[in-house]
Order: sequence, then structure tokens, then C-alpha cells
Amino acid sequence: KAGVTQTPRYLIKTRGQQVTLSCSPISGHRSVSWYQQTPGQGLQFLFEYFSETQRNKGNFPGRFSGRQFSNSRSEMNVSTLELGDSALYLCASSPTSGYNEQFFGPGTRLTVL
Amino acid sequence: GENVEQHPSTLSVQEGDSAVIKCTYSDSASNYFPWYKQELGKRPQLIIDIRSNVGEKKDQRIAVTLNKTAKHFSLHITETQPEDSAVYFCAASRTGNQFYFGTGTSLTVIP
Repeated sequence: KAGVTQTPRYLIKTRGQQVTLSCSPISGHRSVSWYQQTPGQGLQFLFEYFSETQRNKGNFPGRFSGRQFSNSRSEMNVSTLELGDSALYLCASSPTSGYNEQFFGPGTRLTVL
Repeated sequence: GENVEQHPSTLSVQEGDSAVIKCTYSDSASNYFPWYKQELGKRPQLIIDIRSNVGEKKDQRIAVTLNKTAKHFSLHITETQPEDSAVYFCAASRTGNQFYFGTGTSLTVIP
């Protein structure tokens, strides 16, 4: 099976712009979670989608949003970008929601100038 | 919400020695504790996990122990090898796939 894929791999934006990141889970996986990884904070949970519904949400402002499509692919959107949004954004997929191994994608490196 | 603290942030050991990484969590309802290994430039990968109904789990050179009363869990790597060099993350979860991660431990195994 192909692994989790994320596009684009690298992105450079300026403050105030918005960005959309995409994640394709492993075939058959229905749960997709998103994380922000920064050197100082480690991995921080953004949200999880399962069967097109947001199941859990981390402590991030409303500028961060996401959605999941019927084929389980997920997108994450960040509006009104700030310098502090520069990070590696990782998505992870699991067969179902709950206590399962998460398979991570390679990440999207977002740089906000 | 859950708060996971991880220590040490960096760890250097000689090849063949053991390495221990410790994590504490705050939410007594957390019941699943995975450990991930992230090599430089690569994605995190699960190396071992433990559920709250078990006190210890071992997989070859890797073991994890859990103390629910004290709310801490530890990763033990024995007979370390250079390929064990990576960043290790602990995590805790109580529901769904909402994981709270520690800030990571950069392990260096010196040949």
C-alpha cells in the first residue's frame, strides 16, 4: 500500500495570506489527524477528521480549519497567516478513530515571511 | 487539557549502553501511550506503545514501563546502536486519535 502523502512539500507565503495543505491517507484509512511541528513546541495536535466529521480539535485559533472528503482525503486551511505559523505540518492516518497507530506523512514545510 | 512533559531534551550515550527517556502526563483519564521515533528529515514512526491496563511491554531492545499512580511512563533502549540516534517523542491519549506529544528527546549514540 502507498503511504500517506502530503502536498505540497514546501510552501512560502507572506503574512496575511492564506494557505491550503492536502493530505491523502493510506488506502482504507478513514481517520486523518493534523499536527503542527515546531522546534520549541514539538508536535501539537490540530484536529482529527473521521468519516468527513471533525472528531477532535486541539487548542488552535479559528484561523486553522480543515475538512475531509468522502474519499478520506483531507485538507487543512490557515487564513491570515502569521510569522508564528511557520512550521512543519504533518498529517497522520489511521484505520479508525481511537487508539490506533498513526501513520505519518512526510509533512509540508510552511514558511511565512 | 492533557499536558505531557518529556525529559531529557537531549541524551548522549556510548554504543552498547542503555538509554532511558521519561514522560509524565497530567490527565488521569489518558489510557494509551505510544512512542515515536523521528530520524532527521523523516516522518515520525511508531516504535512501541502501551495501554493503561499493562505495566510493561517489551519488543527486542525496546521496552516501555507505565506507572498509572504516578502518571509517568518511560522508554528504555538497551544495547544502543548508532542507528538508534534520532528524536523520540512520547504521547498520551484518552480518546479518539487526539494525541498530546512531549517535546522530544534527541538521542545520540556515540560509536
